[in-house]
Amino acid sequence: DAGITQSPRYKITETGRQVTLMCHQTWSHSYMFWYRQDLGHGLRLIYYSAAADITDKGEVPDGYVVSRSKTENFPLTLESATRSQTSVYFCASSISGLAGTGELFFGEGSRLTVL
Amino acid sequence: GDSVTQMEGPVTLSEEAFLTINCTYTATGYPSLFWYVQYPGEGLQLLLKATKADDKGSNKGFEATYRKETTSFHLEKGSVQVSDSAVYFCALTDKAAGNKLTFGGGTRVLVKP
Repeated sequence: DAGITQSPRYKITETGRQVTLMCHQTWSHSYMFWYRQDLGHGLRLIYYSAAADITDKGEVPDGYVVSRSKTENFPLTLESATRSQTSVYFCASSISGLAGTGELFFGEGSRLTVL
Repeated sequence: GDSVTQMEGPVTLSEEAFLTINCTYTATGYPSLFWYVQYPGEGLQLLLKATKADDKGSNKGFEATYRKETTSFHLEKGSVQVSDSAVYFCALTDKAAGNKLTFGGGTRVLVKP
């Protein structure tokens, strides 16, 4: 099915472990984004990518790594998970850049718990 | 930097009641304004938008008017349904600040039958 899919939807891990959250979109959108959603903070941008092999930091990039070897995939890696990274993570894509129409298409989210 | 402030929830209403969610913003330049909605267990989706002063965005019975003089973009619906229960996010993009989408904290709305 066309769209943007995230996996896993739910993940429990322990402090210090590496975790990768996957994001795949079938629209060939140029821009992709990772946000985290926390109570009291709304959505905060972690990293974004303008195209394959082009990534840039958002508001809260520390502790995260991204890559974009293919247009359709944008994985987010927590190299050494910490409890403060417990959150719901949303991947999104956009047709026309950071703003353009302003319409981002979101995945269903990945709920990560770090014990 | 740019910021968006929304009224805190939860907002609890009865079906057919009038809904208003306040949103104000600060921006370096001349932003475009958006409302996104997040239904339970889902990602966010664009509800409506306005790109210049006095524009009114509307969709699914919801409306919001871009008020430059009061830096506001309040969301309204005249008669809510149980299916409108969701979290609503006000957001802006500002070319002068790099064009990234900046979100407010979200307002949870619960509509009871």
